Amino acid sequence: SAVISQKPSRDICQRGTSLTIQCQVDSQVTMMFWYRQQPGQSLTLIATANQGSEATYESGFVIDKFPISRPNLTFSTLTVSNMSPEDSSIYLCSAQQLSGNTIYFGEGSWLTVV
Amino acid sequence: GESVGLHLPTLSVQEGDNSIINCAYSNSASDYFIWYKQESGKGPQFIIDIRSNMDKRQGQRVTVLLNKTVKHLSLQIAATQPGDSAVYFCAENNSGGGNKLTFGTGTQLKVEL
Repeated sequence: SAVISQKPSRDICQRGTSLTIQCQVDSQVTMMFWYRQQPGQSLTLIATANQGSEATYESGFVIDKFPISRPNLTFSTLTVSNMSPEDSSIYLCSAQQLSGNTIYFGEGSWLTVV
Repeated sequence: GESVGLHLPTLSVQEGDNSIINCAYSNSASDYFIWYKQESGKGPQFIIDIRSNMDKRQGQRVTVLLNKTVKHLSLQIAATQPGDSAVYFCAENNSGGGNKLTFGTGTQLKVEL
């Protein structure tokens, strides 16, 4: 199975600042995704990170707020811009293996905005 | 719109008993389903998956059943152990729709000693 590492694992951020979360996979994958999970709730897809092109965002999420990069097959970043307390959440990177449909998740980045 | 939901938000079982976690889905185009386990403070961990051309799949102590007629998915855990305590999510995927997972609301499984 793919091993997915996220940095930072946890952070406390000031209102109005931006934070970039990094996601590194230990093997080549086809698709990479970013999810948000608010405390005690399920996972919501933010966007699909496309290699070499703009990410595909889900309804309710926009590029200005959540810019995403994917420069190669194994790395992606998600930036949470101009943060407010409502952005306090767990941000999860996931990736689909090159062979098969299995989608694995990282351990998440726990952001608290104060 | 399409949704995936769970019947029971919390399930308490005695150690050693079997657990059954249920999930309903509404997108008839979904063709791939995954169960994840999420322990406190961790990311979702893949447990088992099943494709729509199957109705049952077994893993180590876990079995997933798929009933496409009623759009129902279940996860059975045999001989439940304290380490099984976690939140369990079902997720559906329509491979023709970009391999994006739609998650259910989650079930908290509590194993009582």
